[in-house]
Parts: sequence; structure tokens; C-alpha cells
Amino acid sequence: DVKVTQSSRYLVKRTGEKVFLECVQDMDHENMFWYRQDPGLGLRLIYFSYDVKMKEKGDIPEGYSVSREKKERFSLILESASTNQTSMYLCASSLTGANNQPQHFGDGTRLSIL
Amino acid sequence: AQKITQTQPGMFVQEKEAVTLDCTYDTSDPSYGLFWYKQPSSGEMIFLIYQGSYDQQNATEGRYSLNFQKARKSANLVISASQLGDSAMYFCAMREPRGNDMRFGAGTRLTVKP
Repeated sequence: DVKVTQSSRYLVKRTGEKVFLECVQDMDHENMFWYRQDPGLGLRLIYFSYDVKMKEKGDIPEGYSVSREKKERFSLILESASTNQTSMYLCASSLTGANNQPQHFGDGTRLSIL
Repeated sequence: AQKITQTQPGMFVQEKEAVTLDCTYDTSDPSYGLFWYKQPSSGEMIFLIYQGSYDQQNATEGRYSLNFQKARKSANLVISASQLGDSAMYFCAMREPRGNDMRFGAGTRLTVKP
């Protein structure tokens, strides 16, 4: 089974802090994704990566950056956290970008910015 | 433009009965993949079932089946013999050849009554 591990289930940070959310997958997947999930808005794609050191902006990249130095790890960075970034963050991976490949998700990180 | 539409914000079903969760989608690509995910209150997204646009038969996975009507662009999830543990949010999603990401609907909250 695919295992996608997010470093924290719950995280509380302060406004202005630099925040790192880590995600690791163990199945040699090419593609990795970061979403945020908010009530009534569903899942919105922040960034995705289709290869090491490659990244593409999703629908809502503002205020975020990402890093993929190794194939198995995809990090989401909040450069200067703000209260409107309080949300549930979900990391996912898929074997390839083909349209028959499901995305496999981590357990999510509930991030609160005070 | 909204690509995935789930018109039922909430659904109730009696334990042991079947329930259908609706999903319609919009695409001009002849090749695409459709997926359903379950999200319990604990937050993780669990992949349930996949249907390819060229598949001749409806997909089935245990108690889950997908009622795929290509001409109507609908991909409804049918859960048979509902169990209390089926209470969760359910998301329909689509993956197209262009781009690597997946588009999600707003979700349907299913509650199974004892």
C-alpha cells in the first residue's frame, strides 16, 4: 500500500512565522501535490511537482512556496504566516500524471495561525 | 468554470440500505479518469474507486459501484448495504490528460442512521 506521511496532524503557529509542512511518500511516485481544504470551498490545489526540483503553481499559490529536493519529499512553506492561512493542508502523490492514476493522500495537517 | 458538480450537500441513509451519491462533470477531452474519495471526520482522504472514460463496464469495488453514464457526463457512486462506518464526506474527482492535477467536487456529507 502507498504510504504518504505528513509530519504533523496539528500545528499552531504565530502570524509572521515561517512555517514548514513536510510530506514524504514511500512508493517512488513521480507526482506530488499540496492542497488546502476549507469548509464550503472543497480542495484547492496550491502547488504540485512532477519531478525532483520541478514545481508548478496551482490555483492558489500566493503566500506559499514549495521544495522538492528528493523524489520522496515535498515540502510546503508559508513564508510569513497569516491568519487567513489557517486551514487543513493535504499532501498527495500519484505514480504519474496519467489520468488513470489515483492520488494517494496523507492524513492532513490542521494548521492554526494565531 | 466548475468541472465537477456534486449537488447534494448532505444525504441520509438507513443502515443496510443502498444510497446513491451524485456527480456530474464537464470536459471536452475524450480521455479522462473519474475517482471517488471518502473523508471520515479524522481527515484522511481514502481512494475508493476509479472509472476510465473508455471503460465499457461500470467499476465496482466491494460495496462500492460507479454508475457511469458517459453521454450524460455523470458518475454516481452507489454504496450498497450501508454501514455506520460509511458516515463521512464523499468527493468526486476527475483527472484529464492536460496537466497533472485532479479536480474535486465540493463533496457530499453522508450520514448513516442506525
